[in-house]
Amino acid sequence: SQQGEEDPQALSIQEGENATMNCSYKTSINNLQWYRQNSGRGLVHLILIRSNEREKHSGRLRVTLDTSKKSSSLLITASRAADTASYFCATDGSTGTASKLTFGTGTRLQVTL
Amino acid sequence: NAGVTQTPKFQVLKTGQSMTLQCAQDMNHEYMSWYRQDPGMGLRLIHYSVGAGITDQGEVPNGYNVSRSTTEDFPLRLLSAAPSQTSVYFCASSYSLISGNTIYFGEGSWLTVV
Repeated sequence: SQQGEEDPQALSIQEGENATMNCSYKTSINNLQWYRQNSGRGLVHLILIRSNEREKHSGRLRVTLDTSKKSSSLLITASRAADTASYFCATDGSTGTASKLTFGTGTRLQVTL
Repeated sequence: NAGVTQTPKFQVLKTGQSMTLQCAQDMNHEYMSWYRQDPGMGLRLIHYSVGAGITDQGEVPNGYNVSRSTTEDFPLRLLSAAPSQTSVYFCASSYSLISGNTIYFGEGSWLTVV
């Protein structure tokens, strides 16, 4: 079964609005990463948050992590049409190796003009 | 800087045929891996390698072989293709196996087995 489960599965917003997507996971982690995938392309790393961090920012991205609830959220502020993509969370287990990186099923974000 | 390069981009196979998906990276990364992506399933790890001459199985290794003769290349072989192997395949690499290293993905290979 998947370690990470994103919610919602699909999200449609207008340009300029904020987009929030959530990720829940099941077991202890060392870190959690978010990736973006444009249609027909590979995944691109966005941001990583470590298990001892609660919040992290990168440009218009804000990631939070609540290890007590085993959940993370990705907020994209002032969304643009170019943000249209699928977004995946990925967690690695307490073994702390990249070989155990587990991806969720993704949130499809559609940003309309 | 090419990053991670996968070929072919698209391939149609008949059941029982064999083929090799090629993957090369020019970043001198030790860690390379293959994932498959299916609708509603996210990415699942097939095989990975922590360096030349070292490979190991991931979550869904059956029906696939890999080898790592050089640091740069990590081909994935389908021995006898089955319709269940219809999927999008991604090769990835990172500097090391240590948790937290950014993973770089190729553009994907779309495989259809009929």
